[in-house]
Amino acid sequence: AQRVTQPEKLLSVFKGAPVELKCNYSYSGSPELFWYVQYSRQRLQLLLRHISRESIKGFTADLNKGETSFHLKKPFAQEEDSAMYYCALFTQGGSEKLVFGKGTKLTVNP
Amino acid sequence: DTGVSQDPRHKITKRGQNVTFRCDPISEHNRLYWYRQTLGQGPEFLTYFQNEAQLEKSRLLSDRFSAERPKGSFSTLEIQRTEQGDSAMYLCASTQGSAYEQYFGPGTRLTVT
Repeated sequence: AQRVTQPEKLLSVFKGAPVELKCNYSYSGSPELFWYVQYSRQRLQLLLRHISRESIKGFTADLNKGETSFHLKKPFAQEEDSAMYYCALFTQGGSEKLVFGKGTKLTVNP
Repeated sequence: DTGVSQDPRHKITKRGQNVTFRCDPISEHNRLYWYRQTLGQGPEFLTYFQNEAQLEKSRLLSDRFSAERPKGSFSTLEIQRTEQGDSAMYLCASTQGSAYEQYFGPGTRLTVT
């Protein structure tokens, strides 16, 4: 079964604190994973994908196949990071689509 | 081209009525996806097109739902005999080929009363 689990519905941190948004997946194939973000009143947009191994807005995410995880991290949270974050798995092999987790709402307090 | 657009942005309809939504993808993108998002959930896949061909439909897409992309450009999603359970945000996304980044539209929020 293809499944993405984000165990935290809500996450609240103070500005300058480290933040980690958890994501676990279940997929029999080779996983392609993404983090999408939705800021207030904006559309869903790509934050980063594991294959590019880049850091966007200070966020990084490492794919751990042994733990089937793709956690999103940032060492020093900023107030503008407050948003809804969705982890997504791209399925392949005849059924090519994104499977999303339920999302984590991150609030960064001043 | 300012990105994926969807029309209308909001639709309120009475149970039993038919509704149709439109999505205009980014012009050079040949793949177009429809997702549905309900409160507290992530987007859920409904269907997708490559050019004008509908390649997959989710089990979520009952017989009351139909989608088209007649000329491989814009797409429409029609819901017949709407039910209260159809109330959701309907999202459209486009991408080029099987490139992984999908560009999302602003969504159409449907409320069935």
